[in-house]
Amino acid sequence: DIQMTQSPSSLSASVGDRVTITCRASQTISTYLNWYQQKPGKAPKLLIYTASSLQSGVPSRFSGSGSGTDFTLTITSLQPEDFATYYCQQSYITPYTFGQGTKLEIK
Amino acid sequence: QVQLVQSGAEVKKPGASVKVSCKASGYTFSSHYMHWVRQAPGQGLEWVGTMNPSGGSTRHAQKFQGRVTMTRDTSTSTVYMELSSLRSEDTAVYYCARVGGDIQAFDYWGQGTLVTVSS
Repeated sequence: DIQMTQSPSSLSASVGDRVTITCRASQTISTYLNWYQQKPGKAPKLLIYTASSLQSGVPSRFSGSGSGTDFTLTITSLQPEDFATYYCQQSYITPYTFGQGTKLEIK
Repeated sequence: QVQLVQSGAEVKKPGASVKVSCKASGYTFSSHYMHWVRQAPGQGLEWVGTMNPSGGSTRHAQKFQGRVTMTRDTSTSTVYMELSSLRSEDTAVYYCARVGGDIQAFDYWGQGTLVTVSS
């Protein structure tokens, strides 16, 4: 199975900050990398697919980059509603493994 | 609009089985793979398996080998995930999630079904 490793596991930031979350795959996955946002008690929400494509309806302050094994999710100008847990996921091959999550908290 | 509506919470005893349903609407049911993902309390997301609603073929994570069965009813646009020989570690919220048409990602999710395994 492909292992997905996110860092950091948690992050404190303030409204207006720019934050970056990284995700590393244990083997190359081309650009088959997705990012999800999850708020407590809710289902995950797709933000970014195929590494850098913004899902419809997602604000442009979210962006993704990377290919191969190393990927990043960047949020510019954090808004109060962005404080949540973020997961990366590879969809290169089943099992479609997830990273362990990054909890973004208000500083 | 696309909707995935899951069945309600379940409480089961160890060794029992549970069957969770996911009713799809708002799109062509047979055109999108459906996946199952679970999340234990306070933990991350874990991929369980997938089904092609068109032909019924399935794949699942190795750890569920022999315990998970995924089926579908095309007449009601519903997919089912049955997990047998339940143990306390199976306590989790189970989600169904659809793969988008042109994207290899989960663009719509069900609301989740809490399965509690307790004696």
